[in-house]
Amino acid sequence: EVQLVESGGSLVQPGGSLKLSCVASGFTFSNYWMDWVRQTPGKSLEWIGEINTDGSKTNYAPSIKDRFTISRDNAKSTLYLQMSNVKSDDTAIYYCTRIFRGAWGQGASVTVSS
Amino acid sequence: DIVMTQAPLSVSVTPGESASISCRSSKSLLHSNGITYVYWYLQKPGKSPQLLIYRMSNLASGVPDRFSGSGSETDFTLKISRVEAEDVGIYYCGQLLENPYTFGAGTKLELK
Repeated sequence: EVQLVESGGSLVQPGGSLKLSCVASGFTFSNYWMDWVRQTPGKSLEWIGEINTDGSKTNYAPSIKDRFTISRDNAKSTLYLQMSNVKSDDTAIYYCTRIFRGAWGQGASVTVSS
Repeated sequence: DIVMTQAPLSVSVTPGESASISCRSSKSLLHSNGITYVYWYLQKPGKSPQLLIYRMSNLASGVPDRFSGSGSETDFTLKISRVEAEDVGIYYCGQLLENPYTFGAGTKLELK
């Protein structure tokens, strides 16, 4: 069974940093591009960015570019989202997803507040 | 960015009846490879989104064949035949043609 399990969500102060992790199982992680998508309270889905299979290429949404960094460790089947200089607008549930192939994690809750 | 516009924002359906949700993109989602990169997702209450339809008309694994997707280059439809209680939730269309990938605002389906 394909599973994606996020962790690392928490309360963080504006301007602070946070790193989310997503552990994958049930498929060959290194064969797939992976994405992060977030959902703000009561609102739609917002794509954050993606990373290719070996981690050499990333693409980001303009709204978070230069503040967030996506990386991966294929040996650990783990995807990461490093969030820096966070703002209140970054408050959301963050999903790790194999977006083209239909697998989504349960989400990690991030709240940015002083 | 490609804008995805869904209609209606909410729909109320009698169990056993059919429902249709529309989605329009601000740009053609037809790639030169012949594939149309529109996807449909369902987010059940308190759950993560799940893929229903990929590449406009292909049923994702495990999805009942009561669901179907169709459309053209910019206008798309998700049809649900014989709506059941388990179909309640918010339906999103999304375009995965080009970065940044974008999604519609969602259509909330509830039962009468």
